[in-house]
Amino acid sequence: EADIYQTPRYLVIGTGKKITLECSQTMGHDKMYWYQQDPGMELHLIHYSYGVNSTEKGDLSSESTVSRIRTEHFPLTLESARPSHTSQYLCASSAGTGEAFFGQGTRLTVV
Amino acid sequence: LAKTTQPISMDSYEGQEVNITCSHNNIATNDYITWYQQFPSQGPRFIIQGYKTKVTNEVASLFIPADRKSSTLSLPRVSLSDTAVYYCLVGAYNNAGNMLTFGGGTRLMVKP
Repeated sequence: EADIYQTPRYLVIGTGKKITLECSQTMGHDKMYWYQQDPGMELHLIHYSYGVNSTEKGDLSSESTVSRIRTEHFPLTLESARPSHTSQYLCASSAGTGEAFFGQGTRLTVV
Repeated sequence: LAKTTQPISMDSYEGQEVNITCSHNNIATNDYITWYQQFPSQGPRFIIQGYKTKVTNEVASLFIPADRKSSTLSLPRVSLSDTAVYYCLVGAYNNAGNMLTFGGGTRLMVKP
């Protein structure tokens, strides 16, 4: 069983609110990823990190930001949520072998 | 990253063997081939990875020809629970700059 956790699992929030989606892993993996996926649609990489203090944008432009102050923690923040941000957000980590472990996801709804 | 091409969807019946082929014509020498499975509302799950020839585990087999420009994921005797999206990824994952990028995948529907 993979030791990667995302909170909250579900979030309904009003437009303009600031939100932080949490992602933590206990496997000591250097590489971590954030993906955005709408139901039945493609999985898009929005942010990734090679290790502490390294973050890069993925292939899908996102208004969210990330930080990597500790190896185990990779939170994603939206400063001002909008209805267009409604989606499922998936966090993953990898030791760099190509085998990544995914969290349960956060389903975000902005009303 | 090497671009991959796979069928958008496939149908099968319970008990049949399913083969999903992925094309990756510009695969690099250091690239590995990795397959993931994703159920609705869940994150993808690693199935199998290979570099060349054949790899087999308890879930699937992966066949890679000598030129490595394609690969085939083989699922023996599928059941309804194998209905999912299957992704083929190609990359040299030990490289720090290598993103883990998923394409559209193949949507497999297993019918009774």
